[in-house]
Amino acid sequence: KQEVTQIPAALSVPEGENLVLNCSFTDSAIYNLQWFRQDPGKGLTSLLLIQSSQREQTSGRLNASLDKSSGRSTLYIAASQPGDSATYLCAVRDNDMRFGAGTRLTVKP
Amino acid sequence: GAGVSQTPSNKVTEKGKYVELRCDPISGHTALYWYRQSLGQGPEFLIYFQGTGAADDSGLPNDRFFAVRPEGSVSTLKIQRTERGDSAVYLCASSLSPLSTDTQYFGPGTRLTVL
Repeated sequence: KQEVTQIPAALSVPEGENLVLNCSFTDSAIYNLQWFRQDPGKGLTSLLLIQSSQREQTSGRLNASLDKSSGRSTLYIAASQPGDSATYLCAVRDNDMRFGAGTRLTVKP
Repeated sequence: GAGVSQTPSNKVTEKGKYVELRCDPISGHTALYWYRQSLGQGPEFLIYFQGTGAADDSGLPNDRFFAVRPEGSVSTLKIQRTERGDSAVYLCASSLSPLSTDTQYFGPGTRLTVL
């Protein structure tokens, strides 16, 4: 059974720092990997979707990489802002979509 | 256009009662998904519909849980004889198709509390 792990569980950084969130998965037979953002009491907002044949995707200050063979993905956030504070979830798509438990990010002004 | 909507946003019920949670997907999306998210965890897959039929219900925890999508649009998740352990946020998502290339768009969720 596919297991998705996110490290760290929580992260606090000062505004302006660059940071990396990590996601690992146990079965490399995936269709894609997706990073989501979740604000307290809200649903999930899709940030980046990386197909299994791709190595990375970029959107603005966000860059996500995928190394399928090693079962790893990273989400890089450049020049962090207080508005980036949220929980970041990664999810892998095989027959279903399986999520990690998330990394709770706090960016302090 | 409108996103995925879910009603109610909050539901408090007593142990043993029956509840229904509703999901309105994005218009034209044929695939609809239900997830359950417990506190501090990521969402857990429950069931997915392609059109009117449940294509995969392997995530439903037991036979107290049932979902329908009779006209291929709105879906209702039904929970019988609720238990305290059913307390969670129930999320619905829809996508244009079930293809892996199609992004799932999530609703805000229904927070269910079973007393």
